[in-house]
Amino acid sequence: DIQMTQSPSTLSASVGDRVTITCRASQNINNWLAWYQQKPGKAPNLLIYKASSLQSGVPSRFSGSGFGTEFTLTISSLQPDDFATYYCQQYNLYSGYAFGQGTNLEIK
Amino acid sequence: EVQLVQSGAEVKKPGESLRISCKGSGYTFTNNWIAWVRQMPGKGLEWMGIVYPGDSDTRYSPSFQGQVTMSADKSINTAYLHWSSLKASDTAMYYCARGGNGYNTYYYFDLWGRGTLVTVSS
Repeated sequence: DIQMTQSPSTLSASVGDRVTITCRASQNINNWLAWYQQKPGKAPNLLIYKASSLQSGVPSRFSGSGFGTEFTLTISSLQPDDFATYYCQQYNLYSGYAFGQGTNLEIK
Repeated sequence: EVQLVQSGAEVKKPGESLRISCKGSGYTFTNNWIAWVRQMPGKGLEWMGIVYPGDSDTRYSPSFQGQVTMSADKSINTAYLHWSSLKASDTAMYYCARGGNGYNTYYYFDLWGRGTLVTVSS
């Protein structure tokens, strides 16, 4: 099975900060990686797919990069609405859809 | 409106059976896989498996193989997640999510239901 590992588990930041979350895959997944945002009591929401493609309607302050086994999600200037938990996910119909353990982005 | 509507919260006793549902609307339900994702209280997301309503092809995560059964009824645009004998450790929020079109190998989950909370307690 492919394992996904995110870091950090918790990130404290302030409005206006630039933040980066890292996701590592246990084997090469090319660019078949998505990022989701989840707020308390809500379903996850797709932000990024194919490592760097922005889902329609998602603000441009979100960006993704990476290929192979190492990926990043960057928020260029944190807004109050961005404090949430973020998950990476590798997706492949034949090897599965494993999620990272999540990164809780909290207000400093 | 394109949406997945999940059935309501359930409270069950250990050993009981349960089926929860996920109804799609606003798109051609038979064309896209439906995934199930578990979120235990205070924990992260876990992919359980995926079912293709077009032909009922089903793939399970090794962690959930044999623990649950996924199915779909394309005549009513509904996918199901079934337990034959619940355990207290099945207490969680369960989400359905829309996956790829046909046998597109690489596709993410672009549409999510609001979740069904399952509580198992004696």
